Amino acid sequence: GAVVSQHPSRVICKSGTSVKIECRSLDFQATTMFWYRQFPKQSLMLMATSNEGSKATYEQGVEKDKFLINHASLTLSTLTVTSAHPEDSSFYICSARRPLGDTQYFGPGTRLTVL
Amino acid sequence: AQSVTQPDIHITVSEGASLELRCNYSYGATPYLFWYVQSPGQGLQLLLKYFSGDTLVQGIKGFEAEFKRSQSSFNLRKPSVHWSDAAEYFCAVARMDSSYKLIFGSGTRLLVRP
Repeated sequence: GAVVSQHPSRVICKSGTSVKIECRSLDFQATTMFWYRQFPKQSLMLMATSNEGSKATYEQGVEKDKFLINHASLTLSTLTVTSAHPEDSSFYICSARRPLGDTQYFGPGTRLTVL
Repeated sequence: AQSVTQPDIHITVSEGASLELRCNYSYGATPYLFWYVQSPGQGLQLLLKYFSGDTLVQGIKGFEAEFKRSQSSFNLRKPSVHWSDAAEYFCAVARMDSSYKLIFGSGTRLLVRP
């Protein structure tokens, strides 16, 4: 199998605080992990690509300093939303790809609500 | 530029009826195509994928898709829909460069009438 987990599944925070979301590949090593954002009833928007041991590559329009991504091991990537504001409220989904793999396996997502 | 179009925002079918969800892509080379399903509040589950070979691809849950290069299409089908199939379905094309990025269509929401 190829199982990807995310933690937490839901988080509510106050405006101005930072929130960390973890993405783990449970039964395989993931050279590459991806972070997506999904607004209600919309498609997934790729935010960044995370490669183990190197800096993340951000998509155009995504603020690097606001969405900090760390991929410190082959099974864990984290997304930190810094100084969160209500407009950052969204569904954040990660995915992982095996080395030389051609398929992304998705986590269950994290619902972030910023009050 | 690569793109994926899912022309149907919503589709409603009766339980037991057949289903076809449309997907058209724009890609310069041989595409790597995927169908994912997303249940409410959940991540995406891979239904099937096409890279090469037989243009009719079988997936999980009784789904299949057919790649038609001449029509730039990769439509998803199921002969008999179950109520549990109600979900959002996304078609995607992968960039087969070093990034392996996925480009998603806008999704089709499937509603199943009892």
